[in-house]
Amino acid sequence: QVQLVESGGGVVQPGTSLRLSCVASGFSFSTYALYWVRQAPGKGLEWITTMSYDGHTVFYADSVKGRFTISRDNSRNTLFLQMNSLRAEDTAVYYCARGSTMSVRLPFDMWGQGTIVTVSS
Amino acid sequence: DIQMTQSPSSLSASVGDRVTITCRASQGISNYLAWYQQKPGKVPKLLVSAASTLQTGVPSRFSGSGSGTDFTLTISSLQPEDVATYYCQKYDSGPRTFGQGTKVEIK
Repeated sequence: QVQLVESGGGVVQPGTSLRLSCVASGFSFSTYALYWVRQAPGKGLEWITTMSYDGHTVFYADSVKGRFTISRDNSRNTLFLQMNSLRAEDTAVYYCARGSTMSVRLPFDMWGQGTIVTVSS
Repeated sequence: DIQMTQSPSSLSASVGDRVTITCRASQGISNYLAWYQQKPGKVPKLLVSAASTLQTGVPSRFSGSGSGTDFTLTISSLQPEDVATYYCQKYDSGPRTFGQGTKVEIK
């Protein structure tokens, strides 16, 4: 089954850390760039980070730069998002998504079901 | 970074109406523009890629057009199942920025 499945969300206090995982199945994981997108309650979609298929190219949105780190383990078909120094405004549903391949720029044609992160004291 | 601006932010139309949503990029992005549909409580779904290519299974009443900086998503005859928020997104290079979304409702 071709899918992305996120996990790791939860309720945490401001200033703490959390690590999200996204496990892929049914496609050639190591040939796709992967992304994290979040959606705060009642708000729009916000792209937050990109990792290229080989892990060599990374981009971050200004809102998470210096606090969040994206990584991937192609041997385990898994994408990670390490979130440090969490703030109330990081409260959102976090989605992982699949996009561009090694040679073709593509939009996000596959999304996970999302995992909820709530930052609250 | 390139900004993506959608308009309107919301609209209300009758069943059968023609609905148009626009998306403007602050710099040219060729045709690297996608449209997504997100129904309440659901995961976003890719509708259109390359500005005008409808994804498999998307009803033909949806169409996309544009290139460079100005893009349009059109629903030729609005149906009740089209109630959703629609987002544009650039995917040329760098940040994969989304527009702020357009909420479509039935009048």
